[in-house]
Amino acid sequence: AQTIHQWPVAEIKAVGSPLSLGCTIKGKSSPNLYWYWQATGGTLQQLFYSITVGQVESVVQLNLSASRPKDDQFILSTEKLLLSHSGFYLCAWSLDLGDQDTQYFGPGTRLLVL
Amino acid sequence: GDSVTQMQGQVTLSEDDFLFINCTYSTTWYPTLFWYVQYPGEGPQLLLKVTTANNKGISRGFEATYDKGTTSFHLQKASVQESDSAVYYCVLGGGNTGKLIFGLGTTLQVQP
Repeated sequence: AQTIHQWPVAEIKAVGSPLSLGCTIKGKSSPNLYWYWQATGGTLQQLFYSITVGQVESVVQLNLSASRPKDDQFILSTEKLLLSHSGFYLCAWSLDLGDQDTQYFGPGTRLLVL
Repeated sequence: GDSVTQMQGQVTLSEDDFLFINCTYSTTWYPTLFWYVQYPGEGPQLLLKVTTANNKGISRGFEATYDKGTTSFHLQKASVQESDSAVYYCVLGGGNTGKLIFGLGTTLQVQP
């Protein structure tokens, strides 16, 4: 069975500090990977997707970047956090990019920027 | 652009009540439609999925019918339980980029 793990579970960071969030998928080779952001009390917005190692596409510009250094790993980062980066960050995977395919979400990382 | 509309932000019911959550969508094609459910502190999980091929999805007592004529995908359940309390998202499959377009969500609170 596939499992998706996100780290850290939660972070409190200062404005202007760097950030790195991680996501690992086990039990599935060559998954498509996604990052979503959810503002507190809001809906989900896709930020990035990746279909293979080293290839990441940006969907929304939020002064964040993403990388896929390994087949099973997806990293979200920024060098300087903004207050507006606070929220819930979710990693997801799917078998295919086609829109019929279900995306499976991880447990998320809650970020508070002060 | 493509969009999903959920007009009900909050629904409060008693156990065994009938649930109906409105969802309409706007696209230029026939997308796959999903309902995801999110419990507090967790990531969303798939509740049901309907493609243009199968029209209706049923899962855990919930059902949704894909109506191309009215571009709607309402969620129903005959008898809700307290454990159904969660946020329900109507979601549009976004084509070959894997982009899911989420509605604003409907918070369901079921009182015992």
